[in-house]
Amino acid sequence: GESVGLHLPTLSVQEGDNSIINCAYSNSASDYFIWYKQESGKGPQFIIDIRSNMDKRQGQRVTVLLNKTVKHLSLQIAATQPGDSAVYFCAETKYFNKFYFGSGTKLNVKP
Amino acid sequence: EAGVAQSPRYKIIEKRQSVAFWCNPISGHATLYWYQQILGQGPKLLIQFQNNGVVDDSQLPKDRFSAERLKGVDSTLKIQPAKLEDSAVYLCASSLDTDVPNEQYFGPGTRLTVT
Repeated sequence: GESVGLHLPTLSVQEGDNSIINCAYSNSASDYFIWYKQESGKGPQFIIDIRSNMDKRQGQRVTVLLNKTVKHLSLQIAATQPGDSAVYFCAETKYFNKFYFGSGTKLNVKP
Repeated sequence: EAGVAQSPRYKIIEKRQSVAFWCNPISGHATLYWYQQILGQGPKLLIQFQNNGVVDDSQLPKDRFSAERLKGVDSTLKIQPAKLEDSAVYLCASSLDTDVPNEQYFGPGTRLTVT
């Protein structure tokens, strides 16, 4: 099917390498952030979240870093696998109400 | 646990026609969201329900879009009349509550093409 990743910035990595996907968010008052993964033809899937009182959170193979000074989020994926190929979105919210999604980054993992 | 269900998965209509999308959230989820995702962009919230009440519809083009969640479970989103720029994927999501941070679970979406 048609990819959600058309016209998006693309990050190409070799299988087994680490990936770093970046996101600049807009609202300095945002207090909760989520990274989503979206595969072609599917809805976004939750990966990891972080609150504004933290600067780092780790999950299984993924780490999110938050730099509130420059309003920047990053998602690090360790030992990237072909199944990680997808479009990745960051989302921000204040007081857990309306979520604002970024424009997304397409991750392409080369075998 | 069954996920968020949406139908139809694909719809092609001509401009000025009407279309309706259906969403069945995860059982027990009080909050339901409709998002519009234009190709190459992130999802944009159209409307958010808490049970059968509207929490936020500030980005819903109310002259042509309407949504309801009458019994606090299923929801329908309608476009009447459709415009070319309405071509997008319409995503439904649900979550347990909005008072605490928690996951939004997304359905597979309905891909609308307006010709």
